[in-house]
Amino acid sequence: TQLLEQSPQFLSIQEGENLTVYCNSSSVFSSLQWYRQEPGEGPVLLVTVVTGGEVKKLKRLTFQFGDARKDSSLHITAAQPGDTGLYLCAGVLSGSARQLTFGSGTQLTVLP
Amino acid sequence: SQTIHQWPATLVQPVGSPLSLECTVEGTSNPNLYWYRQAAGRGLQLLFYSVGIGQISSEVPQNLSASRPQDRQFILSSKKLLLSDSGFYLCAWNAGTVNYGYTFGSGTRLTVV
Repeated sequence: TQLLEQSPQFLSIQEGENLTVYCNSSSVFSSLQWYRQEPGEGPVLLVTVVTGGEVKKLKRLTFQFGDARKDSSLHITAAQPGDTGLYLCAGVLSGSARQLTFGSGTQLTVLP
Repeated sequence: SQTIHQWPATLVQPVGSPLSLECTVEGTSNPNLYWYRQAAGRGLQLLFYSVGIGQISSEVPQNLSASRPQDRQFILSSKKLLLSDSGFYLCAWNAGTVNYGYTFGSGTRLTVV
């Protein structure tokens, strides 16, 4: 059983559309992070959210941490082909100081 | 600035052969170091992590082992590779608090034939 469930698993959209990726768990996390990974490369950190209800914006990307700190979402506005990649959420379980638990990933393809 | 180096980028090895993947970090001291394995297009599975020289924690029973002979060097090894060891192996580091995220190497694509 995956501790962090991401949905959808695959997403293919047209350039200019909006999308939301979800990351859900029954466990409480002290923080959640989002990474983006391109083929053949390591994941790159996009953002860390640490406070329940927190919202962070990074240009066209909006990240939200759930009030109960069990879930998070990533919203992309006006997607571009350069947004294509594997999006991974990762959380630090409350009481676990050093390890990240990764979600199963969402493969996003933005078509021109 | 800190950088992480991982090599080789690609490796094809026969079943039963040994394995050694190396990861080094520059520009920092006493990093936490991690080895992950990733199935195609999927999430990351933690294999080993280390908080200091000679200190290795294993997360998943397997055919692999890890060592940290120097502060900024992390090595993933196997005495005899299995077909199931194929995958994308990623090394990562962070400085103390994991809330600041991990920095990943560029990965090694291992194919066992």
